[in-house]
Amino acid sequence: DTAVSQTPKYLVTQMGNDKSIKCEQNLGHDTMYWYKQDSKKFLKIMFSYNNKELIINETVPNRFSPKSPDKAHLNLHINSLELGDSAVYFCASSRGRDRGLYGYTFGSGTRLTVV
Amino acid sequence: DQQVKQNSPSLSVQEGRISILNCDYTNSMFDYFLWYKKYPAEGPTFLISISSIKDKNEDGRFTVFLNKSAKHLSLHIVPSQPGDSAVYFCAASAITTSGTYKYIFGTGTRLKVLA
Repeated sequence: DTAVSQTPKYLVTQMGNDKSIKCEQNLGHDTMYWYKQDSKKFLKIMFSYNNKELIINETVPNRFSPKSPDKAHLNLHINSLELGDSAVYFCASSRGRDRGLYGYTFGSGTRLTVV
Repeated sequence: DQQVKQNSPSLSVQEGRISILNCDYTNSMFDYFLWYKKYPAEGPTFLISISSIKDKNEDGRFTVFLNKSAKHLSLHIVPSQPGDSAVYFCAASAITTSGTYKYIFGTGTRLKVLA
C-alpha cells in the first residue's frame, strides 16, 4: 500500500498550459506539503496545509494554487506554465506540524517538463 | 541564501567501512536536524533526526552527531552496505512566522558503497 501517492509521475506540457498534480496520503496524517526540487537539486517548500488550513505559503508565484479538499488530499494547480516551472514536485505528509521528531513521508515525485 | 550546506556532492566508500556524511548550517535557531535518504525515482525517506539540545543520536547502523558551536552535523553509517548507496539529504527544522515549522534541505551527497 502506497503511503503518499502522487499522480501523474511524469508530466510533459507546453508553455502557457494549465495543469494539476494530485496527492493523497493514507497514513492518517493531518499535515501535507508541496516541495519543489529544481535543477540544482534544491528541495524547497512551497505550501503546507494542516487539517485543510493553509499554514505555510512561501514566496511562490500566484500561478501556483494548492487545494486541500480534505486532510488526506493536497492538490497543486499551476496556471500559465513557464519553462522555469520544470522541476520535480514532491508531496509529503506528517503527523501534526512536525518540528523534526518524526520526519515527513514523501511521495515519489512528479517530474514536470515544460516545453 | 543557503542556510543548510552539504559541501561534498559525492562520496565513495568500501563495503564494511564507515561512511561519514557532513552538513553545515548557518542559523543557530534551528530546532531539529534530520537526515533523509533518496533512491532514484523515489521520494526522500526519513532516516534519523536529532534535537538541537542533544549532541548524538543513534539508530542501528546510523548515528548523527551535532556540534552546535561549529554549526555542523554528520551522519555516520557503520558498517556501510551496498544498499546504502543513495543520495543523502541533510535538513533543518525552522519555525516560520506563522508559528509552524518547515524543513530547509541541503543539496544532498551521493554515497556509493563499493562491494
